[in-house]
Amino acid sequence: NAGVTQTPKFQVLKTGQSMTLQCAQDMNHEYMSWYRQDPGMGLRLIHYSVGAGITDQGEVPNGYNVSRSTTEDFPLRLLSAAPSQTSVYFCASSYRTSGRSADTQYFGPGTRLTVL
Amino acid sequence: AQSVTQLDSQVPVFEEAPVELRCNYSSSVSVYLFWYVQYPNQGLQLLLKYLSGSTLVESINGFEAEFNKSQTSFHLRKPSVHISDTAEYFCAVIGRWGTYKYIFGTGTRLKVLA
Repeated sequence: NAGVTQTPKFQVLKTGQSMTLQCAQDMNHEYMSWYRQDPGMGLRLIHYSVGAGITDQGEVPNGYNVSRSTTEDFPLRLLSAAPSQTSVYFCASSYRTSGRSADTQYFGPGTRLTVL
Repeated sequence: AQSVTQLDSQVPVFEEAPVELRCNYSSSVSVYLFWYVQYPNQGLQLLLKYLSGSTLVESINGFEAEFNKSQTSFHLRKPSVHISDTAEYFCAVIGRWGTYKYIFGTGTRLKVLA
């Protein structure tokens, strides 16, 4: 199993450009999520999904879009990049619990994004 | 809604000394609790978790954490640290029912000194 994969590993954008960060998992997990990690702020949830066709917002959704057409893939789109979106982005997946929550998260290696 | 507080942003400790990394949480509902570790330039990986049952949980590399409901804490301890334990440690919480919003603390950077 590859686990959770993310591409690209590094990306530099100019302000106003758009791009898509790719995330895929091969563990048949229903739950997938996107986080951004900034120094001193821990991980903050951007968007999450509990299955194909179902997505919802996290703490910091503005400026980002997601969709989930398959169980395996959960891409994150930056609509018009801003310097404030410079960060390290992590995708994660997990099983849903019987109580409609999430168990252990498995993280990808991250994408380091710089917006100039 | 839940929140997590990790009061110590950095903890330096000498090799073979004990260490405690503090985590307090706030929640109006029952929660699951997790500790994740992040080594440099890597993603996070699970260290240990509390879902139910015994309030003392252990990891395979000697860490342990105790769920204390009355003090709303989930502190991480290790009796003797190694250089290889140098990493950033994150406490996380999620409600047991009807929520998928994981909340992470701001992290504690553990630096083990020779």
